[in-house]
Amino acid sequence: DTEVTQTPKHLVMGMTNKKSLKCEQHMGHRAMYWYKQKAKKPPELMFVYSYEKLSINESVPSRFSPECPNSSLLNLHLHALQPEDSALYLCASSQVKSGGQASLNYGYTFGSGTRLTVV
Amino acid sequence: EDQVTQSPEALRLQEGESSSLNCSYTVSGLRGLFWYRQDPGKGPEFLFTLYSAGEEKEKERLKATLTKKESFLHITAPKPEDSATYLCAVQAPIYEGNFNKFYFGSGTKLNVKP
Repeated sequence: DTEVTQTPKHLVMGMTNKKSLKCEQHMGHRAMYWYKQKAKKPPELMFVYSYEKLSINESVPSRFSPECPNSSLLNLHLHALQPEDSALYLCASSQVKSGGQASLNYGYTFGSGTRLTVV
Repeated sequence: EDQVTQSPEALRLQEGESSSLNCSYTVSGLRGLFWYRQDPGKGPEFLFTLYSAGEEKEKERLKATLTKKESFLHITAPKPEDSATYLCAVQAPIYEGNFNKFYFGSGTKLNVKP
């Protein structure tokens, strides 16, 4: 299995809703990432998990809450979002070398993303 | 400040018309430069990693090259199915607070007409 699977593919939520995005990979990668991508813009890093521990939090608002229950799963819990949070949310994973350095050989494997619309 | 710049923003080619996309970077201590292809509404698909100046990699009609300041993605005799946005990303040195961080360029949107 060489894929990163994201669900749902599309999500429409109100500003008072609570929802979760899910990401799963079975490649044995020990680093997983959440990116946010607005239209015609490059992906922006939100969170990095390495060995199930949060490694980087790029000053993301607290209405986004990541969770890494195990080495194969990554969730992004959403609460009280704003319309400007509407975007494509991408999950990615990568191999990690000993010492925590991400493997450079194959880059990140990205999922197909969740298209989120906040109304 | 570390920066990745891609040009042109958009490129229209006729089928069979070869061209090149550019990615210039100012990230110091480059750990790797990556090329991705992204189709609309999909996640980026990995194409190549380049590590050092002078390195080249090929895949079908695509060839990526790297110098100390920039990378080129050469597209030879493109087909309509090559139409996509091509993203360049560089990986900065690994040090505290910068673990695994990629810097993405804004991409080049390629449209190949039949």
